[in-house]
Amino acid sequence: AQSVTQLGSHVSVSEGALVLLRCNYSSSVPPYLFWYVQYPNQGLQLLLKYTTGATLVKGINGFEAEFKKSETSFHLTKPSAHMSDAAEYFCAVTEGKAAGNKLTFGGGTRVLVKP
Amino acid sequence: DGGITQSPKYLFRKEGQNVTLSCEQNLNHDAMYWYRQDPGQGLRLIYYSQIVNDFQKGDIAEGYSVSREKKESFPLTVTSAQKNPTAFYLCASSVPGGETQYFGPGTRLLVL
Repeated sequence: AQSVTQLGSHVSVSEGALVLLRCNYSSSVPPYLFWYVQYPNQGLQLLLKYTTGATLVKGINGFEAEFKKSETSFHLTKPSAHMSDAAEYFCAVTEGKAAGNKLTFGGGTRVLVKP
Repeated sequence: DGGITQSPKYLFRKEGQNVTLSCEQNLNHDAMYWYRQDPGQGLRLIYYSQIVNDFQKGDIAEGYSVSREKKESFPLTVTSAQKNPTAFYLCASSVPGGETQYFGPGTRLLVL
């Protein structure tokens, strides 16, 4: 069975500082991994995804994530936080077609950006 | 513009009442999904459908029902058997065989 753990339900960063959101997963097969962002009272927007190939994945809004199989991690980073990055971020995993492409989500991390 | 629409944005339910949440997509996606979001709990899968006239239960299907009569539409009914329906409901879809899901704007259900 697949599962996702996001460390830290809330993260506070200063504008211009590094953003680091942690995600660890478990999966019985090679996983597909995703990061989504959610602004208040809105749906989820895809930030980036890892399927196969290069383990460092670049997404929208300057975010990137690195798939580390040995650590079962997929941490999200952004070198310099902007006020517009204040939102909730969700890490998700799927085991692909064999599992009906069902997504399992972490509990989410809410990011606060201080001026 | 292609996308996923959900209506209404807010919905109020009285005790013992069934309510239906709408989800429509014009992306020509085969698969559609319903999730429930509660504060601090992430999203949990209620039902999903890989093809018209077929659907499967997710992790928290009790108290909910769905239908998939058209490719574009996947309505969710919250029945009176769902004792704690207050939540944010999100619909998603994906291309045939695709692993990436795209989400609608959500419906917030409140109990009067």
